[in-house]
Amino acid sequence: SYELTQPPSVSVSPGQTASLTCFGDRLGEKSSSWYQQKPGQSPLLVIYQDTRRPSGIPERFAGSNSGNTATLTISGTQAMDEADYYCQAWDSSTAVFGGGTKLTVL
Amino acid sequence: VQLVESGGGLLQPGGSLRLSCEASGYSFRDYDMNWVRQAPGKGLEWVSYISSSGSTLYYADSVKGRFTISRDNAKDSLFLQMNSLRAEDTAVYYCARLRRRHFDFWGQGTLVTVSS
Repeated sequence: SYELTQPPSVSVSPGQTASLTCFGDRLGEKSSSWYQQKPGQSPLLVIYQDTRRPSGIPERFAGSNSGNTATLTISGTQAMDEADYYCQAWDSSTAVFGGGTKLTVL
Repeated sequence: VQLVESGGGLLQPGGSLRLSCEASGYSFRDYDMNWVRQAPGKGLEWVSYISSSGSTLYYADSVKGRFTISRDNAKDSLFLQMNSLRAEDTAVYYCARLRRRHFDFWGQGTLVTVSS
């Protein structure tokens, strides 16, 4: 079965750039999405179709996808960005989520 | 857009439960829908997909043969019938709208606990 692999945790200082990666076989050939989830809340879509931001998502969130790696980049990271982040793609008729990355802003 | 799940609860292994998701704020019949779950302290796991018309269904291997997804477009509602429940089915269950290949709106979730 298809798998997406994310590092369990990433730390970043406020104002710096955070890069969250997602690895999957030929992931660049698929459409990737990213979701932010804060404690006690439902997931929130932050990036879709590799690079697109939904309305209301700050410009500091950016996505890319090439080869085997999709990347979520958060520029000028703020304390409010501390959350779990999940990548997602479809493999045929199955939706696959990565295991998630806990982003700590400290 | 609003998605409101209901029907969760505590039940014993082997039991059955039917979850509902009521949609509002958009044309429900025009969108494919999904169920995604999250076990306590764990990540997201996709469970099932249903096309806008209800004619196409997909399931994760972990629930195939035990869970059935359905919808009632006249009532703007999505359902998940869960049978032969196991402890590992314990999770918050979210309904999520699918737009192309991404989940653009999620409900608040309903907790299902399977325990003896």
